[in-house]
Amino acid sequence: GAVVSQHPSWVICKSGTSVKIECRSLDFQATTMFWYRQFPKQSLMLMATSNEGSKATYEQGVEKDKFLINHASLTLSTLTVTSAHPEDSSFYICSAWDRARVPGYTFGSGTRLTVV
Amino acid sequence: DAKTTQPTSMDCAEGRAANLPCNHSTISGNEYVYWYRQIHSQGPQYIIHGLKNNETNEMASLIITEDRKSSTLILPHATLRDTAVYYCIVHWPDANNDMRFGAGTRLTVKP
Repeated sequence: GAVVSQHPSWVICKSGTSVKIECRSLDFQATTMFWYRQFPKQSLMLMATSNEGSKATYEQGVEKDKFLINHASLTLSTLTVTSAHPEDSSFYICSAWDRARVPGYTFGSGTRLTVV
Repeated sequence: DAKTTQPTSMDCAEGRAANLPCNHSTISGNEYVYWYRQIHSQGPQYIIHGLKNNETNEMASLIITEDRKSSTLILPHATLRDTAVYYCIVHWPDANNDMRFGAGTRLTVKP
């Protein structure tokens, strides 16, 4: 089946630093990738949608200058949390879309970010 | 607005069938019903989806009512490893159409 790899699986960083999370579709090309955030005991909340080669579309309330998304190729999207603060600590999950696959959406395994 | 309504939590005995209901009374004609589950600290795992016919695969069965306003996910022989949060999502699969998650049902399979 389709595989989406997320790296790192967990990261601890100091407040004020930046962290980059990678999302790769390993065996298919994803024209669209989605980034979600999940706080403890809550559901996944969509942060942004990114299409290869174009700017990401952010959900209301998500700061685009803080959460930088780059989708430079059909197999890689990155989310950079800039100037991270403890309130950014969360579980970040990506999803990749491929029309040719069933289901079209495949989710990564998630990245646990802890900002100290 | 939530497009699906699911019980907050359910328990099931190991080896028994787990029946997880979902109400989606405002579903559109072209929207599918998807089921995903999330085991603690992992990404969502696809289970099954359907449009109007009942579906079965190696993981589960999906029963959709004739009016499509509700559905039931059936795990025929639940195991402890099936303990997870189960999400029912109605969705039109398209590149620019993101998938939105509700609160889901926390299923606990007990020995």
